[in-house]
Amino acid sequence: DARVTQTPRDKVTEMGQEVTMRCQPILGHNTVFWYRQTMMQGLELLAYFRNRAPLDDSGMPKDRFSAEMPDATLATLKIQPSEPRDSAVYFCASGWDREETQYFGPGTRLLVL
Amino acid sequence: AQTVTQSQPEMSVQEAETVTLSCTYDTSESNYYLFWYKQPPSRQMILVIRQEAYKQQNATENRFSVNFQKAAKSFSLKISDSQLGDTAMYFCAFCYFGNEKLTFGTGTRLTIIP
Repeated sequence: DARVTQTPRDKVTEMGQEVTMRCQPILGHNTVFWYRQTMMQGLELLAYFRNRAPLDDSGMPKDRFSAEMPDATLATLKIQPSEPRDSAVYFCASGWDREETQYFGPGTRLLVL
Repeated sequence: AQTVTQSQPEMSVQEAETVTLSCTYDTSESNYYLFWYKQPPSRQMILVIRQEAYKQQNATENRFSVNFQKAAKSFSLKISDSQLGDTAMYFCAFCYFGNEKLTFGTGTRLTIIP
């Protein structure tokens, strides 16, 4: 049963700390997406990759957020320094670019105090 | 830019009944995809159903079916024989053909009443 995995599932941290979220896409998928979900803004696309290359990160605050794919099995989203307004659920999704369907991981719930 | 509108913030229905969730979208393109995702309290986003705009036949997946009206830019989800496990937020989403970026609606919170 192929699934997108994300770690950690929950994270509580203090303002100013670095946060790293990890995602393992479904084997064989070549697109990876990072979304943020909040009550106020709903689901927002932060960044996405195709074949490990970043295609669009216009939704991401550049000064504190960074997204990378060190290899085809790992995507990371880092926040440094974290702020209380970053509190949200962060989802990773993966897909195959010829199918245009995204499969989501379980999300990381981040709380910045 | 495309927009996706879900005009029903909340709905509730008795178990075993049929319920229809509405979704409208706005685009000037003719080739695109539409999706319904389900988000239960566990927060996992689960793909329910997908529709290619070039297909006239409405997609179905077991108890879930859509009514896709391309001219009206409407994409409603029908859940038949509703079950308690269908209780969730339901999101309608859109992406252009060849561009995987999804645009989501604001969601409809569906509660199935025992």
